[in-house]
Amino acid sequence: SQQGEEDPQALSIQEGENATMNCSYKTSINNLQWYRQNSGRGLVHLILIRSNEREKHSGRLRVTLDTSKKSSSLLITASRAADTASYFCATDLGMRFGAGTRLTVKP
Amino acid sequence: DAGVIQSPRHEVTEMGQEVTLRCKPISGHNSLFWYRQTMMRGLELLIYFNNNVPIDDSGMPEDRFSAKMPNASFSTLKIQPSEPRDSAVYFCASSAQGRRWTEQFFGPGTRLTVL
Repeated sequence: SQQGEEDPQALSIQEGENATMNCSYKTSINNLQWYRQNSGRGLVHLILIRSNEREKHSGRLRVTLDTSKKSSSLLITASRAADTASYFCATDLGMRFGAGTRLTVKP
Repeated sequence: DAGVIQSPRHEVTEMGQEVTLRCKPISGHNSLFWYRQTMMRGLELLIYFNNNVPIDDSGMPEDRFSAKMPNASFSTLKIQPSEPRDSAVYFCASSAQGRRWTEQFFGPGTRLTVL
């Protein structure tokens, strides 16, 4: 499959807690991207990590990539209610998306 | 830049009617994607163009769907005839694709309802 598969499907946490979601893929990649989708809107690119990178940070976001396990994780630290959204990963091999992880951050 | 522009934002039509969705990609981007999103099937890639040429249309559900990109600044997705199961949000995205896929910029989507 050329698409990433996110896990878990849904995640509910309290504001201030950390949220971790995972992505698995099946073939070798050159880069992997994470996107966020707020309800009813288009996807917004969050971060891109290349295959030769193991970890990348952007503000409260931390992305890791393990090419040997063909997996990536997205960590959102100190979550806020505004982080409530669906999160998707996609690889550079076809830009197809999985079902996403629906994150709910309760105030 | 105004970002990716889609029109209309909402479309309600009756079964059997022709529907045309429009997209203007970001200036300078050479790749354009059409996606469909429903609760049941998630976000599906329908077709993508590179330099105005359709590269992969394997996601186009059936012959009722067609997409064109007559120039670098405009694309259409047409459904003829439309059916209730075509009801979905249709997104257009563009990317400045070099040798590898990079960041995609999504439009706001067109919410299509077929009665």
